Order: sequence, then structure tokens, then C-alpha cells
Amino acid sequence: DTGVSQDPRHKITKRGQNVTFRCDPISEHNRLYWYRQTLGQGPEFLTYFQNEAQLEKSRLLSDRFSAERPKGSFSTLEIQRTEQGDSAMYLCASSLGTSRYFGPGTRLTVL
Amino acid sequence: TQLLEQSPQFLSIQEGENLTVYCNSSSVFSSLQWYRQEPGEGPVLLVTVVTGGEVKKLKRLTFQFGDARKDSSLHITAAQPGDTGLYLCAGAGGSNTGKLIFGQGTTLQVKP
Repeated sequence: DTGVSQDPRHKITKRGQNVTFRCDPISEHNRLYWYRQTLGQGPEFLTYFQNEAQLEKSRLLSDRFSAERPKGSFSTLEIQRTEQGDSAMYLCASSLGTSRYFGPGTRLTVL
Repeated sequence: TQLLEQSPQFLSIQEGENLTVYCNSSSVFSSLQWYRQEPGEGPVLLVTVVTGGEVKKLKRLTFQFGDARKDSSLHITAAQPGDTGLYLCAGAGGSNTGKLIFGQGTTLQVKP
């Protein structure tokens, strides 16, 4: 399967811990996006990369959040000092043109 | 601020019925995408529409993009239990932004 993959699929952590998620986009896609989705809502944009450059960041992305795409392929999203309000599904998507293709998501639960 | 309003938010129908989901905004979008999402999974792309007035068909699903590129609709003919899920519309603002603006979704339940 050559779709977008995300790891881990589920993460349970204690408040105050740091977590890191990984996204592997579809191989020829140059754009990569991170979204966050809470129960009963549509996904909310966090940030996006074109190749290795981070071109846009949402105000939702506080200074505890950092995303990287060092070689223009896979990306990581790190959350430092997690809070209970960070509990959500974190979705990664990639695109070459207009259509965005999403991965299965990482479900984060902060206790 | 760009917003997309989806309606209805919840829909429960019997197998074989037809339904339409609406996605409306006061903003113009360069393209609009429809997704279907299962619980615990990521959204799966159904269609992308880019031209005002465009109509696309995917088996029993018909998607329309409004002439002014501010609204869209999804019509399902003869719904089946396998159509059950969360349907999301998402608008793209333009080539200089990577942001997709999502509607809040329509939860569809099709009863056998």
C-alpha cells in the first residue's frame, strides 16, 4: 500500500510528557499537512510543508508544538509538556496537486 | 475568516432512500473536496471539484460545485448501509495557502 502512513496509531501519555508522531507521505507528494481533529468536529489545520520548508502555521500551533520535515520526505510532529486539551486525533495528509490524501491518524490521549 | 457550514449535521434514513448534504460558505474557494470518514480512521477522499458549476458522479454519489464556488452538495441515490459514515466537505483557499477549511461534518446512518 502506498498511501499516507502514520505512526503510532494510538498514544496514551501522562500530562507533562513529550510525544512525537511520524508521518510518511505518498512518495511523490511534495506537500505535507498536519491537522488535528476532536470528537464531533471536522479536522483543523495546524501546519504544512512544501518539500522541507514549513510554509504556514496555524495559531492553534502553540510554542509547545513543533513540526519538521528535514529531508522533504517524512515529517514529525512533537508536542512538549502535553496537556489534557491536547487529546485528539492528529492527522497527516499529503498532496502533489489540489487533492489532499489523509493518513489513518494518531489518536493521542493525555491522562 | 473562512467558514463552511454543513447541513444537516445528522441524518438517519432507511436503505433505498435518497439524500442530499449541503456545504455552504460566504467565501469563494479555489477547489472543494468531499471526504468520508469512519470512526477511528482518517478521512478518505471521494472527489475534488474545481470549476464553478461542475458536476461529478461517483457511482450513486453526485457532487456539485456552485457556480460562484461558494457552495457544494452531495447527493446519494438509493442509500445503502455501507454508505454509513461521516461526510466532510473541505474548501481550499488558493495556491498560496495549504489550509483546507473543513465543515463540521454530516453523520449519516443508513438502516437496513
